[in-house]
Amino acid sequence: QEQLVESGGAVVQPGRSLRLSCRASGFTFSLYGIHWVRQAPGKGLEWVAAIWFDGSQKYYGDSVKGRFTISRDNTNNAVFLQMDSLRVEDTAVYYCARDKEGWSGYYAGVTDVWGQGTTVTVSS
Amino acid sequence: EIVMTQSPATLSVSPGERATLSCRASQSISRNLAWYQQKPGQAPRLLIYDASTRATGIPVRFSGSGSGTEFTLTISGLQSEDFAVYYCQRFNNRPPHWTFGQGTKVEIK
Repeated sequence: QEQLVESGGAVVQPGRSLRLSCRASGFTFSLYGIHWVRQAPGKGLEWVAAIWFDGSQKYYGDSVKGRFTISRDNTNNAVFLQMDSLRVEDTAVYYCARDKEGWSGYYAGVTDVWGQGTTVTVSS
Repeated sequence: EIVMTQSPATLSVSPGERATLSCRASQSISRNLAWYQQKPGQAPRLLIYDASTRATGIPVRFSGSGSGTEFTLTISGLQSEDFAVYYCQRFNNRPPHWTFGQGTKVEIK
């Protein structure tokens, strides 16, 4: 079945870096845009970053712009989130999610396949 | 920046009753609105997009309405598995912008 699996979450100190991975299976990965969405403990959902199906466009939320970098490897069905200069407020469960339609068209951002999440804790 | 505001924060409903959740955009977003359901310890699940189109496999008791700045998610005949947190989300790829509301928790009365 269509599946996303995140990994890479850890406990890190403020100012350090971390790289999250999101690996896909069960669908033609190279056709779909992928998003990262995070959820701080006890809080709501926050969109973090997005990458177009072909990697040609990348977008970031204001709170992570300049610190986080999204990338993808369509050969190996994976998306990555490089997180630099981490802050305490970046502590959250990070989900990757797939656009419900391919080609990063009108419904980009409407996501119908989600991973189970990976936990990032930033603490000294 | 468009802000999405959901109300109420918590809604107490008895099983079998109807729940009505609201989502307001700070400026018009046409029908570019989706609704998600999230249960504790789980990832969100897409319920509705285009303000009123049910996603694949979503029961007919879930319905969405609205356009512009005012949107509603209605759950008719609440079942035990419907008690969860619901989020609205503005979507737009021209220019790309995705914003979630703060969520409404539907709890058992």
